[in-house]
Amino acid sequence: DAGVTQSPTHLIKTRGQHVTLRCSPISGHKSVSWYQQVLGQGPQFIFQYYEKEERGRGNFPDRFSARQFPNYSSELNVNALLLGDSALYLCASSSGQGSDGYTFGSGTRLTVV
Amino acid sequence: RKEVEQDPGPFNVPEGATVAFNCTYSNSASQSFFWYRQDCRKEPKLLMSVYSSGNEDGRFTAQLNRASQYISLLIRDSKLSDSATYLCVVKSGTSYGKLTFGQGTILTVHP
Repeated sequence: DAGVTQSPTHLIKTRGQHVTLRCSPISGHKSVSWYQQVLGQGPQFIFQYYEKEERGRGNFPDRFSARQFPNYSSELNVNALLLGDSALYLCASSSGQGSDGYTFGSGTRLTVV
Repeated sequence: RKEVEQDPGPFNVPEGATVAFNCTYSNSASQSFFWYRQDCRKEPKLLMSVYSSGNEDGRFTAQLNRASQYISLLIRDSKLSDSATYLCVVKSGTSYGKLTFGQGTILTVHP
């Protein structure tokens, strides 16, 4: 079975540009969440989607947005990129049932120059 | 105060040693608790869930103390392959709640 897939794996953008990151959850999973991990820190929560609705939002500026599609895949969009947005962006998949942990994709490493 | 606090280490231990990591969390309404392992430049991977009754998976033992809001992980007979960052994680809600991560504790096991 395919795990959580994210694309692209690496990306280099310049300040002011926008970026779209993509995530496909594990088959049958209806919940997708996004996390940002900067070097030396634990991942920070950005968004949570379940059944195509936003269920939670972390402390990130409005430049960050996301959506979930009918097939439960998701996109994370970041506008007006800043140098500080350079990070590993992780997508996590869960069934949305019970108290299980989440499965993470291998992430998109974004570098803003 | 951070929601989840861990000693970042690093912990440097010889093969065969026993090492313990601790973590505290501030939100008493937290419902689920986990330890994740993260290798360098890789994604976090679920190591084990943590229950109040304590749970064991081979050389790994996890414990939760809800009264003290304290989580622990014990690794016995350390292997070189245990070298990684260990992340203490707290989940709000029981279904699709957000995960809150600690900073991570770096473990290096040397020959």
